[in-house]
Amino acid sequence: SYDLTQPPSVSVSPGQTARITCSGDKLGNEYTCWYQQKPGQSPVLVIYQDRKRPSGIPERFSGSNSGNTATLTISGTQAMDEADYYCQTWDSNTVVFGGGTKLTVL
Amino acid sequence: QVQLQESGPGLVRPSETLSLTCTVSDYSITTDYSWGWIRQPPGRGLEWIGIIYHSGSAYYNPSLKSRVTISVDTSKNQFSLGLSSVTAADTAVYYCARVLGIPAEMYFDYWGQGTLVTVSS
Repeated sequence: SYDLTQPPSVSVSPGQTARITCSGDKLGNEYTCWYQQKPGQSPVLVIYQDRKRPSGIPERFSGSNSGNTATLTISGTQAMDEADYYCQTWDSNTVVFGGGTKLTVL
Repeated sequence: QVQLQESGPGLVRPSETLSLTCTVSDYSITTDYSWGWIRQPPGRGLEWIGIIYHSGSAYYNPSLKSRVTISVDTSKNQFSLGLSSVTAADTAVYYCARVLGIPAEMYFDYWGQGTLVTVSS
């Protein structure tokens, strides 16, 4: 089975840039998307097809994917961005989620 | 805006079958999209359960495949999840979602609010 690895936690100061990574074998050859999940809420799509933002997602969210690593970047991080973030890709007719990263803004 | 709402029993006995329905509003389920189920055990990450394509073909998580069935009821604009022989390990919040993109680039753009299903005697 295909595995996606994320760091369990990332911390960032308000206004700084947060980077959350997602690693998998030759992940750069596949499309990756990202979800934000706040406590008690459903996940929200923030990035799809590596770097596209759905309507309504702030420009401070961006994505990239190359080699074995996809990265979600949040520029000018705000307190409201504190949440769990999950990467997701597709492999051999299966959807694969990363284990999730808790972003703390402090 | 598409809305999805999960419904079904909140408590299921061990060894029985978990059955959930997702009702889609403000969008016809017969339009060219796919539909999926995802679950999240308490305090843990997301786990994909399965997807049913517009064509009717379904793909399941290999670890659950022998116990899972996803189907569509176009007359009610709903799709359903069945998970047999449940154990406590199946206790989770279950989400339904709309799927966009071709298989190699699929993503879930609209999610239901989720429903907690507890497996216990």
